[in-house]
Amino acid sequence: GAVVSQHPSRVICKSGTSVKIECRSLDFQATTMFWYRQFPKQSLMLMATSNEGSKATYEQGVEKDKFLINHASLTLSTLTVTSAHPEDSSFYICSASGTGGADTQYFGPGTRLTVL
Amino acid sequence: AQSVTQPDIHITVSEGASLELRCNYSYGATPYLFWYVQSPGQGLQLLLKYFSGDTLVQGIKGFEAEFKRSQSSFNLRKPSVHWSDAAEYFCAVGGRANQAGTALIFGKGTTLSVSS
Repeated sequence: GAVVSQHPSRVICKSGTSVKIECRSLDFQATTMFWYRQFPKQSLMLMATSNEGSKATYEQGVEKDKFLINHASLTLSTLTVTSAHPEDSSFYICSASGTGGADTQYFGPGTRLTVL
Repeated sequence: AQSVTQPDIHITVSEGASLELRCNYSYGATPYLFWYVQSPGQGLQLLLKYFSGDTLVQGIKGFEAEFKRSQSSFNLRKPSVHWSDAAEYFCAVGGRANQAGTALIFGKGTTLSVSS
């Protein structure tokens, strides 16, 4: 149980385009989803916290207009990187917690974004 | 300030030898503690967690961790390492989940290499 999926697993896009990443909880209802960013050989940095049906809470320094987060249902959250630039290239990981274990986060497999 | 320190960036152990990965935390409230493992290019898998009760917790893959409040530590141990244990290990701390959920604070990670 407690499986989280992400799609796509890898995406390459041109500078200036937008990319949407989906995060799904497959076997539980995720009241809260988190989006992290991980640079090579580094730890995970929290970008934002989203609760189903409400606006996401962004961490300091994260541009909310650039990283659009939508948590429209208890099983789906999306992160859209708008007008992507090469410096946005990174590994994006989502996690979810909720009725399956509110105190434990379960992580997706991550999405590797490369912006050319 | 809330933080997690993993003092060892990289550790190499021989296959079959014992392992201990160190983790120290600073957290203003009652901490919930986690160890995650990440294989290259993959998401995070939960190894074990501590919320309350017995300070020695057992996890998957033969791992265990001991919570020592007086030392603010939550070290991960395994009596006999297998080559498949080579990966990145992250210690994380969070608080009690509320309706909004709580984000995790991650250490910088320890890379484990296993030699034959």
